[in-house]
Amino acid sequence: EVQLLQSGGGLVRPGGSLRLSCAGSGFVFDKYGMNWVRQAPGKGLEWVAAISGRGDTTYYADSVKGRFTISRDNSKNTLYLQLNSLRPDDTAVYYCALDSWGQGTLVIVSS
Amino acid sequence: EIVLTQTPLFLSVTPGQPASISCKSSQSLLHRDGKTYLYWYLQKPGQPPQLLIYEASNRFFGVPDRFSGSDSGTDFTLTISRVEAEDFGVYYCMQSIQIPLTFGQGTKVDIK
Repeated sequence: EVQLLQSGGGLVRPGGSLRLSCAGSGFVFDKYGMNWVRQAPGKGLEWVAAISGRGDTTYYADSVKGRFTISRDNSKNTLYLQLNSLRPDDTAVYYCALDSWGQGTLVIVSS
Repeated sequence: EIVLTQTPLFLSVTPGQPASISCKSSQSLLHRDGKTYLYWYLQKPGQPPQLLIYEASNRFFGVPDRFSGSDSGTDFTLTISRVEAEDFGVYYCMQSIQIPLTFGQGTKVDIK
């Protein structure tokens, strides 16, 4: 069974940083590209970033380009999202996603 | 950017009755590999989205056969043949043929 277990997140001040993690199991981790998707409170789904299975190709939404970095450590079966220069409008639940999705982790950006 | 437009945005359904949701794409989602990169998800309150349909018409593992997906060019439809009480939530379509991946606005379904 595919499982994606997320960690990280929390409350951070504007301009601050956080790192989100997503540990995968139940599948051959390095064979699949993966995504981060976020959902602001009461809103719809917004794709954030994607990375290839080997980690050598990355893509970003314009809203996060230059501030967020997606990466993966295939030796640890773990996907990451580094969030820098956070803004209040980055407040959302962040999900790692394949066919199945992680449980989500809440990021709140507030002073 | 590919825009996905869902209709209706709200749907109230009676258990046992059929229901359908439309998702119209601003561009073709048919890849040269022959696959159509349109997905349907259901999100229940407080939970992550769960995949129902992949590549426009294929049910994901464990999804009941009352759910089906169809397409006609750039028009896609999710159909529930007989709605059950557990089918409430918000339904989203999503495309992955082009970066950025995009989602429809969501259709909120409640059960009468």
